[in-house]
Amino acid sequence: AQKITQTQPGMFVQEKEAVTLDCTYDTSDQSYGLFWYKQPSSGEMIFLIYQGSYDEQNATEGRYSLNFQKARKSANLVISASQLGDSAMYFCAMREGTGTASKLTFGTGTRLQVTL
Amino acid sequence: GAVVSQHPSRVICKSGTSVKIECRSLDFQATTMFWYRQFPKQSLMLMATSNEGSKATYEQGVEKDKFLINHASLTLSTLTVTSAHPEDSSFYICSAPRGQGPHQPQHFGDGTRLSIL
Repeated sequence: AQKITQTQPGMFVQEKEAVTLDCTYDTSDQSYGLFWYKQPSSGEMIFLIYQGSYDEQNATEGRYSLNFQKARKSANLVISASQLGDSAMYFCAMREGTGTASKLTFGTGTRLQVTL
Repeated sequence: GAVVSQHPSRVICKSGTSVKIECRSLDFQATTMFWYRQFPKQSLMLMATSNEGSKATYEQGVEKDKFLINHASLTLSTLTVTSAHPEDSSFYICSAPRGQGPHQPQHFGDGTRLSIL
C-alpha cells in the first residue's frame, strides 16, 4: 500500500487565487512528521512546511498552510494568493518516528500551473 | 542560502565511466545523509542512507556494488556510480537533516543530472 498518496497529477489555478493540493498518508506509528516540498523545473527541492503528528494547530508559513486532519489521515497544502512563481511540482512526504535520521517517503507529486 | 551543496550539477559521459557525486553539509554536521534517484516526471525514490563512519544502508533493489556510498566525514557523503550505463541516466539528489528534533526538515542539494551516452 502507498504510504503517501497524492491524487492530483496536475492542477491549474489563476494568479491571486488559493489552491489546495491533496495528500493522504498511511501509517501505524503514533509519532510522525509530514512535509511539503516544492520542486521547480530546475530540480532543487525546497522545503515549504512541516506538521508534526502531535501538533494540535495547523502549520502555517507565509502563504502556505497545512490543513491537517489526523482522523482522516490527510495533510493538504493550501497556497493562498498564488503567484506565477508557484508553478512547480509539489511533493508531500512523511517521516515515521521521531529520529531526524529517519527517512522520508514521498508521494507521486502534483504539478501546479499558475495562470494569468 | 543553501545548507547542502551537491556537485557536480550535471555530468555527461561515456558508457563504462565511473562517476562520483559529492554531497556536503555546509554549516552543520550530518551523521546521516540520504541519496535519492528521480526519473523524469516521477517522484524521488530513496536509494540508500549514508551513515558517517559505517556502511550505508541500501534500499531493496539497489545494487550496492553499482552505487558505492562513502561517508568519511561529518560533512561529506559521496555516491559513485560505477561503470555507468545509459540506464543509469537519471537525476540524483542528496539530503541531510539539520539539527535535532522531528520537526527538522531534510535539506536537499540541488541535484545532479547524469547522462550516460
